[in-house]
Amino acid sequence: GENVEQHPSTLSVQEGDSAVIKCTYSDSASNYFPWYKQELGKRPQLIIDIRSNVGEKKDQRIAVTLNKTAKHFSLHITETQPEDSAVYFCAASRNEKLTFGTGTRLTIIP
Amino acid sequence: EAQVTQNPRYLITVTGKKLTVTCSQNMNHEYMSWYRQDPGLGLRQIYYSMNVEVTDKGDVPEGYKVSRKEKRNFPLILESPSPNQTSLYFCASSLEAFNQPQHFGDGTRLSIL
Repeated sequence: GENVEQHPSTLSVQEGDSAVIKCTYSDSASNYFPWYKQELGKRPQLIIDIRSNVGEKKDQRIAVTLNKTAKHFSLHITETQPEDSAVYFCAASRNEKLTFGTGTRLTIIP
Repeated sequence: EAQVTQNPRYLITVTGKKLTVTCSQNMNHEYMSWYRQDPGLGLRQIYYSMNVEVTDKGDVPEGYKVSRKEKRNFPLILESPSPNQTSLYFCASSLEAFNQPQHFGDGTRLSIL
């Protein structure tokens, strides 16, 4: 089955700096790659997603890049703000199953 | 308001006592899924359903059952709960298929003593 590895597990950045979280996946047939943000005690919420026919997608301060050849995708957050502090999960999907990474705890230092 | 509703939100119970966690969505979504979240392990898929009467195993189905008799409901059943099923459980739904944004419920924290 699919295996998704996510790095780093924790990340601290100064407010205003950029944050990058990376994921690799094992199944070359995976074709949908969402990113979820989970604030403390809350449910995961989708922040951005990308499909395999696209190399990059951007939404304001958030961007995702996908390298199908290398089987990795990354989340980029620019101009970080305190409200970006949360746990972020990447995921990869093929057919009916969705496999998540183990999460990155992002802390924004004021 | 479009939402996925789980009940109960919290439950402490004992080994072997059957329990059901209900999940209901009001968005007419076809795809529904259950996940468990454990520290350091992320979210792992337990079971999913593509439509009414269609269910299949995810990555960690052992010890769990599900049913999908109606489109809006997807209960998770623990026939004989054990302490290793202590976890935070999330139900989620999406419009048509797996490759659509998942809408998560607020979670159910289960403690099995």
